[in-house]
Formats: sequence, C-alpha cells, structure tokens
Amino acid sequence: EAQVTQNPRYLITVTGKKLTVTCSQNMNHEYMSWYRQDPGLGLRQIYYSMNVEVTDKGDVPEGYKVSRKEKRNFPLILESPSPNQTSLYFCASSFGGVRYEQYFGPGTRLTVT
Amino acid sequence: GESVGLHLPTLSVQEGDNSIINCAYSNSASDYFIWYKQESGKGPQFIIDIRSNMDKRQGQRVTVLLNKTVKHLSLQIAATQPGDSAVYFCADVVRGNTPLVFGKGTRLSVIA
Repeated sequence: EAQVTQNPRYLITVTGKKLTVTCSQNMNHEYMSWYRQDPGLGLRQIYYSMNVEVTDKGDVPEGYKVSRKEKRNFPLILESPSPNQTSLYFCASSFGGVRYEQYFGPGTRLTVT
Repeated sequence: GESVGLHLPTLSVQEGDNSIINCAYSNSASDYFIWYKQESGKGPQFIIDIRSNMDKRQGQRVTVLLNKTVKHLSLQIAATQPGDSAVYFCADVVRGNTPLVFGKGTRLSVIA
C-alpha cells in the first residue's frame, strides 16, 4: 500500500530536549516536505526536499532541521524544542514537487512543556 | 507567497444537496491551485487541482472553478454525502516549486 508514515504519532517532551520525528514514504517520490498545522493559522511549510541531499526552507523553518540522506526518509529534527513548537506536524511526499499530488502522513502531535 | 483565504469558516448542507466552498487568493502571479480535504484525525488528502490557463476542471462529483479576474476559486461537490464532512483547504503556488500557501480551511458538515 502506497503510504507516508510518521513516528511517533504523539509526543510530549520538555523544553530543550532534542527530538526527531521520522517520515518515510514507499512511493519512490522525489519531493518530500514538512508542514505544521496550528489552529487559526492553517498549514505552513517548514522545509522541503526536491531530492536526496537537496533541502530548502519553507515559510517557517526557524528552530527546525531536516536531512535527506535517502530518498524514502525525511526526518524532522528539533534541536532544542520550545513551547511555541507545540503543534500538529505533517510529512508529505509527491512525485515531483508541489505541482503534483502530495500524499500526507497521518500527523504527529507534539507537545513541548 | 501571499495569503490564501476563505470566505466562510463553516458550511452546513443537507445530504444530497450540492456544496460550494469558496476561496479567495491575493497573488495575481499564482498559477496553480489545489483543493485538499482533511478528515478529523487524518492528514490532508488531495481532491483536485487546476492550472491558471483553465477556468474549470471536473473530477468525480467535484468541480473546481477559477475566476482569475476576481482571484476567486470555488469547489463544488455534487450530491454531498456524510463522508464529505471534513475541512477543505485551498492552496496556491506562485511559481516553480515555491511553498504551497494554504488557506485557513472551511469545515463542511453534512446533515443526514
């Protein structure tokens, strides 16, 4: 089954404790992206990757890092999480960018206390 | 990109009726538009897209209309079903693969 998986699905952590949210897709997609979703603000793009070793900032990259060492994986790293990073995070992938259908993962709900 | 907004935050329709969800965009350089559906507890799901050189595109039970003159986009759902209950987002792309700009979303509730 074609899918995007994220882990963990839920995470409660404390300020400053580094964490990684994993994202994996099994569709051989070149494009992968991370979004955060906040009430009243909608979906905002954090980082995206056009291919292996190619990443770029989205609209709200501050406080986040990403890497794309393999085509299928695109982890999101929070080096020093803060409460304002409490949000619902979605990973997405597509064949070739935002002009192609993006497949979204199930989401990761992160709470930073 | 500039903001993509929605006219109404909530919409309630009777099962079997047609639904129309509206979206306004502000960037005249936007050339690609997408509608996503997000059910409770799930990630967004692609519904339909349209390029700026078109003014109408039809899918299965859905139609997207684009009016570039007034920078307005609408999603029409025919014979709305309970399974259509969700939040619907429009999004636009200005050029290349610049980040998608999502609207805030409209919640569609279908009354059985």
